[in-house]
Amino acid sequence: GQQVMQIPQYQHVQEGEDFTTYCNSSTTLSNIQWYKQRPGGHPVFLIQLVKSGEVKKQKRLTFQFGEAKKNSSLHITATQTTDVGTYFCAGAVPNDYKLSFGAGTTVTVRA
Amino acid sequence: DAEITQSPRHKITETGRQVTLACHQTWNHNNMFWYRQDLGHGLRLIHYSYGVQDTNKGEVSDGYSVSRSNTEDLPLTLESAASSQTSVYFCASNSGGNQPQHFGDGTRLSIL
Repeated sequence: GQQVMQIPQYQHVQEGEDFTTYCNSSTTLSNIQWYKQRPGGHPVFLIQLVKSGEVKKQKRLTFQFGEAKKNSSLHITATQTTDVGTYFCAGAVPNDYKLSFGAGTTVTVRA
Repeated sequence: DAEITQSPRHKITETGRQVTLACHQTWNHNNMFWYRQDLGHGLRLIHYSYGVQDTNKGEVSDGYSVSRSNTEDLPLTLESAASSQTSVYFCASNSGGNQPQHFGDGTRLSIL
């Protein structure tokens, strides 16, 4: 079945530094979504990428969808304490509306 | 405001007992999903429904069942609870297709 792999599992970041989390699928995706889960909370939708090579930005967050629509990345610049949480990517294959979630990247920030 | 609510928020039960977790959404969404979240595994799909009377198995459906008798509710039943089913359970819904999913606050279930 479809698998979505996400690395790294943990990311410890100094406040102000940048980091990137990566997502790879074993199959071509129709779209990829990113969610953020704060400690003790529930996943909250951040963004959806649909087009090959698409790049979207939300303030300090930059999301990319690979040309082959099999991988994606989330890059955060100038990390802040508000960025703490777990970031999940989730992909869907064509003609299927189920999402397959990656294991998530849990981000902690050192002040 | 529309919302999705799960109950109970926390539950402790014994192995072999039947347990039902409730999920109620007021978004009027057709699609509803149940996931379990375990460390190192992210969110794994248990069951899902694309409308009333429609239910489908996800990747970890063994030992679980759902029913969809109306648009608003998708209860998740553990027929005979096992310790391996100790987890945090999330319900989610969306309006269809690949629209973003809205998640409930989760139910933390412990099976002793």
